[in-house]
Amino acid sequence: QVQLQESGPGLVKPSETLSLTCNVSGGSIRNYYWSWIRQSPGKGLEWIGYIYYIGTTNYNPSLKSRLTISVDTSKNQFSLKLNSVTAADTAVYYCVRQGIITGTRFEMDYWGQGTLVTVSS
Amino acid sequence: DTQMTQSPSSLSPSVGDRVTITCRASQSIGSYLNWFQQKPGKAPNLLIYAASTLRSGVPSRFSGAGSGTDFTLTISSLQPEDFATYYCQQSDRTPYTFGQGTKLEIK
Repeated sequence: QVQLQESGPGLVKPSETLSLTCNVSGGSIRNYYWSWIRQSPGKGLEWIGYIYYIGTTNYNPSLKSRLTISVDTSKNQFSLKLNSVTAADTAVYYCVRQGIITGTRFEMDYWGQGTLVTVSS
Repeated sequence: DTQMTQSPSSLSPSVGDRVTITCRASQSIGSYLNWFQQKPGKAPNLLIYAASTLRSGVPSRFSGAGSGTDFTLTISSLQPEDFATYYCQQSDRTPYTFGQGTKLEIK
């Protein structure tokens, strides 16, 4: 059974960088797409971006200028960095596997439990 | 971006009721529409993908239909464990987008 676990600081100061890592266990990170999703009361569920295991990325244009997603296949994990954060970036952040193939799309089948990140001084 | 609009926003059905939730896309997304169930404090859980394919292990009382811009999720006979919030999500093009959610509340 694939399991995903987010880790990182729960509190980040405004203008600083939010950094999270997702550890994947019970399966390989290879051959899949991996996404970050966030959820806040004000904006609902928001797709942040994805990375393919070889490092190809696709970011939400609304966050692209502040965002970096990377992968480390040797550690079976992938990471998120969002810089210049504001209170609007306060949310529960989920890491997600896109493991169900439908035609040319990859659907989100496994999610981490989520981690709350609060942006506040 | 493709906007996803769900209706209703909330519903108060009874156990045993047939429930239908609607999701409309702002442009055609083919059949690239997924449905998730989320319970409080938990991550969303994929129920249906490609508009009508039931994920393995999901009870058969859940079904999905539609293509293009209009989609539905139906629960044929609501069970106590089905009280949750349901989201549609399009995977036709990035940025992937979600509906605002439909909350099923106990009457």
